[in-house]
Amino acid sequence: GENVEQHPSTLSVQEGDSAVIKCTYSDSASNYFPWYKQELGKRPQLIIDIRSNVGEKKDQRIAVTLNKTAKHFSLHITETQPEDSAVYFCAANGNNRLAFGKGNQVVVIP
Amino acid sequence: DTGVSQDPRHKITKRGQNVTFRCDPISEHNRLYWYRQTLGQGPEFLTYFQNEAQLEKSRLLSDRFSAERPKGSFSTLEIQRTEQGDSAMYLCASSSTEEQYFGPGTRLTVT
Repeated sequence: GENVEQHPSTLSVQEGDSAVIKCTYSDSASNYFPWYKQELGKRPQLIIDIRSNVGEKKDQRIAVTLNKTAKHFSLHITETQPEDSAVYFCAANGNNRLAFGKGNQVVVIP
Repeated sequence: DTGVSQDPRHKITKRGQNVTFRCDPISEHNRLYWYRQTLGQGPEFLTYFQNEAQLEKSRLLSDRFSAERPKGSFSTLEIQRTEQGDSAMYLCASSSTEEQYFGPGTRLTVT
């Protein structure tokens, strides 16, 4: 089955700086890659996604890039704010199920 | 609130007891998923319904677990003879396409 790995596990950034989280996946048949943000005690919230026919997608301060050849995709957060502090999960679909990474704790230091 | 809802939000039970959780998906979504999440991990897939049909089950879903989605609307997840290792957050998600939207989860504690 699909195996998704995230790096780094924890990322601390100064407010206003950019944060980048990278994920790798194993199944070349995967064609949908969402990113979820989960704050403590809350549900995972879909923040952006990308499909395999697209290389990059942006939505205000967040963007996702996909490299199908290398089987990795990345989340970019620009101009980070304290409310961006959360755990971010990447996922890849395979056979109608999402396989999630273990998550990255992002801490934005005011 | 038109999002995914789950009930109860918290459940404490003694080992060996049976528990049942309910998920109400977004009304126009025909797909419904159950996941389990433990501390420091991402959600792990348990099972998936398209309308009322259960199309896939993870090997994580032992014989003590059963899920139903009668009439293709809400779904229930039952755990029989609970064990301490079943303690986790049980998340439900629904979708009409690839985009899955999660409910708030049911946190199960087995003592």
